[in-house]
Amino acid sequence: GQQVMQIPQYQHVQEGEDFTTYCNSSTTLSNIQWYKQRPGGHPVFLIQLVKSGEVKKQKRLTFQFGEAKKNSSLHITATQTTDVGTYFCAGSNSGYSTLTFGKGTMLLVSP
Amino acid sequence: DGGITQSPKYLFRKEGQNVTLSCEQNLNHDAMYWYRQDPGQGLRLIYYSQIVNDFQKGDIAEGYSVSREKKESFPLTVTSAQKNPTAFYLCASNNGLAQTPGELFFGEGSRLTVL
Repeated sequence: GQQVMQIPQYQHVQEGEDFTTYCNSSTTLSNIQWYKQRPGGHPVFLIQLVKSGEVKKQKRLTFQFGEAKKNSSLHITATQTTDVGTYFCAGSNSGYSTLTFGKGTMLLVSP
Repeated sequence: DGGITQSPKYLFRKEGQNVTLSCEQNLNHDAMYWYRQDPGQGLRLIYYSQIVNDFQKGDIAEGYSVSREKKESFPLTVTSAQKNPTAFYLCASNNGLAQTPGELFFGEGSRLTVL
């Protein structure tokens, strides 16, 4: 079945440093979504990418979808302590299939 | 306020007991989902339902059962057949499967501990 791998599993940065998490799929995806889960909380939707090579920005967050639609990345510029949490990618194949989640990247930001 | 309500938030049970987790949504979404989350793991799909009175198994359905008698409700029963039931359970909903599925809205989760 479809597999979605996410790296790194964990990253600890100093406030102000940049952060990137990468997501790779074993199959071509029709779309990819990103979620953030704060410690003790539930996942909250951040964004969805559907087009090959698509790049979207939300303030300090930049999301990319690869040209082959098999990988994606989330980059945070100048991290803040409010960015702490686990970031998950989730993708689906074409054809009305359910989302497959990566294992997530836990981000810790020290002040 | 529109959203998804899960209950209970915390639940303890003894081995061999069945337990039912509640999930109610007032977002008028067609599709509802149950995910299981273990420490350091992603979300794994247990069951999902796209329409009332219909549901499909996800990747880890063994030891679980669901029903969808009303659009708003999608309860999950963790049966005694589930060998490792201690986990964080998340219910979610969206407008259903499509070529480009909509975002998932999650409840706050139910943390089940088997003693």
